[in-house]
Amino acid sequence: GQQLNQSPQSMFIQEGEDVSMNCTSSSIFNTWLWYKQDPGEGPVLLIALYKAGELTSNGRLTAQFGITRKDSFLNISASIPSDVGIYFCAGANFGNEKLTFGTGTRLTIIP
Amino acid sequence: EPEVTQTPSHQVTQMGQEVILRCVPISNHLYFYWYRQILGQKVEFLVSFYNNEISEKSEIFDDQFSVERPDGSNFTLKIRSTKLEDSAMYFCASRARTSGVHGQFFGPGTRLTVL
Repeated sequence: GQQLNQSPQSMFIQEGEDVSMNCTSSSIFNTWLWYKQDPGEGPVLLIALYKAGELTSNGRLTAQFGITRKDSFLNISASIPSDVGIYFCAGANFGNEKLTFGTGTRLTIIP
Repeated sequence: EPEVTQTPSHQVTQMGQEVILRCVPISNHLYFYWYRQILGQKVEFLVSFYNNEISEKSEIFDDQFSVERPDGSNFTLKIRSTKLEDSAMYFCASRARTSGVHGQFFGPGTRLTVL
């Protein structure tokens, strides 16, 4: 099956630092999505990417859809305490309903 | 803001018992989904449902699982004979007909513990 690997698995940063995480796939996706999951809650969509090479921002978040369609990265600038959580990438293909989720990156902010 | 709701928030059951997890999707949504997340692992797709039938399912969704939309507002996941490895968070999601797959809104989840 399709595998999405995220790196790093976890990050410990100080408030105000920038964060970068990425996601690589064993196969091509037509759509890349980034979600955040807070403890005890479901994933919440942050950014959706639809075209290879596309770079999209949502406030302090920026994500890119890799040219090969097999990878994506997410950057968070000037991190704040509410950025703490688990970030998942997800891939989807046209005509399919399912989302394939990555392994997740856990972000912790050190006081 | 409309949201997907799920009940119960936590279900404890004995191995071999049947469980039904309930979801109320957002009211004008027509596509419905179940995903599961084993503790500490990634979210995994189980099934999608549209127009009163399953549109796609994963290899996890075997004969022990079934879904139903018993009325105009609920969407349920039934596990016929639970196994220890069914212990996980189960998330329901829904989306509008006009949105793409990215338009899935997730509920808060039901934690299923099988003893």
